[in-house]
Amino acid sequence: DGGITQSPKYLFRKEGQNVTLSCEQNLNHDAMYWYRQDPGQGLRLIYYSQIVNDFQKGDIAEGYSVSREKKESFPLTVTSAQKNPTAFYLCASLARGGAPNEQFFGPGTRLTVL
Amino acid sequence: AQTVTQSQPEMSVQEAETVTLSCTYDTSESDYYLFWYKQPPSRQMILVIRQEAYKQQNATENRFSVNFQKAAKSFSLKISDSQLGDAAMYFCAYRSANSNSGYALNFGKGTSLLVTP
Repeated sequence: DGGITQSPKYLFRKEGQNVTLSCEQNLNHDAMYWYRQDPGQGLRLIYYSQIVNDFQKGDIAEGYSVSREKKESFPLTVTSAQKNPTAFYLCASLARGGAPNEQFFGPGTRLTVL
Repeated sequence: AQTVTQSQPEMSVQEAETVTLSCTYDTSESDYYLFWYKQPPSRQMILVIRQEAYKQQNATENRFSVNFQKAAKSFSLKISDSQLGDAAMYFCAYRSANSNSGYALNFGKGTSLLVTP
């Protein structure tokens, strides 16, 4: 089955620690995205990558970092510089942008700072 | 940046009835795509329907249809014959056809739909 996997489903972090959220897709999609969801805020774009070894900041990139070493993988690191990291994080991928293709979403990771 | 506004934080509908969720957006672009996503309690995002801005005909997917008013920058979702499984958070989203945006989605804040028996 093709799809997007995110791990872990739940993640707990102590203040001052960096944590990495995993996102893997086997859809052969070129573009991948990270969104953050807070109650009442909808989804906001953190980072995106359209090709391997290239990525761009989204609207709320401060305190986050990403890498795109493989087409299938787009991990997100939440650093200690992120002031309020408790949120639900969604990864998505897109086959081709110049068409009304849908973005496919993973099941999400719930991050809680203790 | 394009903004998407959903003015109804919560809506309620009785089973088998029809409900319309509102969405407006702000853009200076002429070519773009609009989407409605559903997020049930599982939190999995599911595409409900999509609309291409250059198409005048409103999109329809079974019980779901849209009213796309390009000049008014309005994109409402109509759910007919509502079912208990339609209960979810619904997000309206805008996507530029311009590659400079990375084809990322701009989301509204969502409308929580409650379906009552």
